[in-house]
Amino acid sequence: KAGVTQTPRYLIKTRGQQVTLSCSPISGHRSVSWYQQTPGQGLQFLFEYFSETQRNKGNFPGRFSGRQFSNSRSEMNVSTLELGDSALYLCASSRGRGRGDEQFFGPGTRLTVL
Amino acid sequence: DQQVKQNSPSLSVQEGRISILNCDYTNSMFDYFLWYKKYPAEGPTFLISISSIKDKNEDGRFTVFLNKSAKHLSLHIVPSQPGDSAVYFCAASAISSGSARQLTFGSGTQLTVLP
Repeated sequence: KAGVTQTPRYLIKTRGQQVTLSCSPISGHRSVSWYQQTPGQGLQFLFEYFSETQRNKGNFPGRFSGRQFSNSRSEMNVSTLELGDSALYLCASSRGRGRGDEQFFGPGTRLTVL
Repeated sequence: DQQVKQNSPSLSVQEGRISILNCDYTNSMFDYFLWYKKYPAEGPTFLISISSIKDKNEDGRFTVFLNKSAKHLSLHIVPSQPGDSAVYFCAASAISSGSARQLTFGSGTQLTVLP
């Protein structure tokens, strides 16, 4: 079955702009999580959506927001971009049933803020 | 404050030998641990996991060991193959509010297996 897809794969923006990233989970998966990966920092958890509701949130400023649609597709928005927002943004989908529930990652969107 | 730490940013091993990747954690609420492998330009892929009620889990060439008292886990790859060359992330999980699970990742270790 098709894996997790993310669009676009690459994005270049300037400071102050906003950006929207999209994630389509594996069919049947109801949970979508977003992560930010920067060099030396590993993957930092942004938030998780399950059945259109934000179920968990990491320690990121309010400029980072997301939503999930009824078909489980999710979007992440970053407003007023800063240079430090340059990163690889990864989304992961899972059935959302808790322990042992494997997360499948997409290839990521590489965001560069100039 | 990093709750999951991988103190070795890189590791080089000869093909056929054992690779040992280490991970330390500080949060005693973590009860489920995972290892992911990541190739360039791809998302991380799940490798192996272990519950806190176990101290060892094995899957083919991959074995994860958990030492709860030391808050330490390790991934052993035997024998190492050149195709194992990738970044390995350690992740930990605990039940959060609403039965949600949040993965906390380490910063990764670049493993290079030399032919």
